[in-house]
Amino acid sequence: EAQVTQNPRYLITVTGKKLTVTCSQNMNHEYMSWYRQDPGLGLRQIYYSMNVEVTDKGDVPEGYKVSRKEKRNFPLILESPSPNQTSLYFCASWDRATGELFFGEGSRLTVL
Amino acid sequence: AQSVTQPDIHITVSEGASLELRCNYSYGATPYLFWYVQSPGQGLQLLLKYFSGDTLVQGIKGFEAEFKRSQSSFNLRKPSVHWSDAAEYFCAVGPLGDYKLSFGAGTTVTVRA
Repeated sequence: EAQVTQNPRYLITVTGKKLTVTCSQNMNHEYMSWYRQDPGLGLRQIYYSMNVEVTDKGDVPEGYKVSRKEKRNFPLILESPSPNQTSLYFCASWDRATGELFFGEGSRLTVL
Repeated sequence: AQSVTQPDIHITVSEGASLELRCNYSYGATPYLFWYVQSPGQGLQLLLKYFSGDTLVQGIKGFEAEFKRSQSSFNLRKPSVHWSDAAEYFCAVGPLGDYKLSFGAGTTVTVRA
């Protein structure tokens, strides 16, 4: 089954404690992206990757890092989380043939 | 720059009634338009998309959308809603064949019995 898998789905942490949200896709897509969803703001892109070792900033990259060492994985790293990073995070991969974005189920992060 | 406006933050509809969700976009060239649905606790799922051809497109779950270039709109409709249609709906626009989609703020649909 084609899917994008994120972990953890839920996480509560404290300010300054580094964390990583993993994302993996099994569709061999080159493009992957991270979004955050906040009420009234829709989805905003954090970072994206066009292929292995190629990443770039989206609209709201501050406070986040990413890496793309393998095609299937695209982890999101919060080196020093702050309360304003409390949000619902989605990973997505893009099917170039159909133009469709495939989304993971989301990771709800709370930073105290 | 591309942008999407969903004027309705929240819509309540009775089960069996019709539903229309509005989407207006701003884009300088031929747009690639999408509607996604997010059920509670789930990721976003593609309902339908438009990039050319017939301006009335059919999607999954009985949804359809109509592209109106003159009005820069891509409204989503369903003739008869089911309780399972309660969800948040997002309209998105992007360049043809490009991954750079812009999403609207979303419309939450509540279905009452």
